[in-house]
Amino acid sequence: AQSVTQLDSQVPVFEEAPVELRCNYSSSVSVYLFWYVQYPNQGLQLLLKYLSGSTLVKGINGFEAEFNKSQTSFHLRKPSVHISDTAEYFCAVSAASETSGSRLTFGEGTQLTVNP
Amino acid sequence: NAGVMQNPRHLVRRRGQEARLRCSPMKGHSHVYWYRQLPEEGLKFMVYLQKENIIDESGMPKERFSAEFPKEGPSILRIQQVVRGDSAAYFCASSLIRSYNEQFFGPGTRLTVL
Repeated sequence: AQSVTQLDSQVPVFEEAPVELRCNYSSSVSVYLFWYVQYPNQGLQLLLKYLSGSTLVKGINGFEAEFNKSQTSFHLRKPSVHISDTAEYFCAVSAASETSGSRLTFGEGTQLTVNP
Repeated sequence: NAGVMQNPRHLVRRRGQEARLRCSPMKGHSHVYWYRQLPEEGLKFMVYLQKENIIDESGMPKERFSAEFPKEGPSILRIQQVVRGDSAAYFCASSLIRSYNEQFFGPGTRLTVL
């Protein structure tokens, strides 16, 4: 079984400031890691994913995340945020498998609020 | 290409009624997942289905909840005799055959039980 902890439930920042949203996970098997964004009253949109290879992953909208196996972390970062980045962000993991589907286990979410 | 479609988007039921939530996966996707999001919480896995098969239902409540994904037509999540605690947003996601394919999420059905 897997579990995910998002260390901050709310992160307020000013526009054009850098931001880091923290995510730690635990698992007894190899995992794939994901960050999703949810805008109000909408579904989830994938920002980026880590499957294997380079530990620095770049995603959409200028976001990136770094996989740290020793610290079991997958923190999300953006060097300069915009008002439009205001949303709920979810970190998720799934058991790694090339041949079968696997459910996602989500963290509780981090509400990012970008202020002018 | 149409994304994952869910209907209805909003559903209001009185306690004791039945709720049926529908999910049409993206074209070519044969895997469907249902998740529930309670107010102020993250998404919790409920069930994973392929066409005509339930693969993993470990997240489904033992009573009143059922899911299917028939050979033809959408996947259905059915909640019998709803209670106020069932009020939540229910999201469906679909993916291609391999787990590392992205799960594409629908817009969700927001169920309110009066």
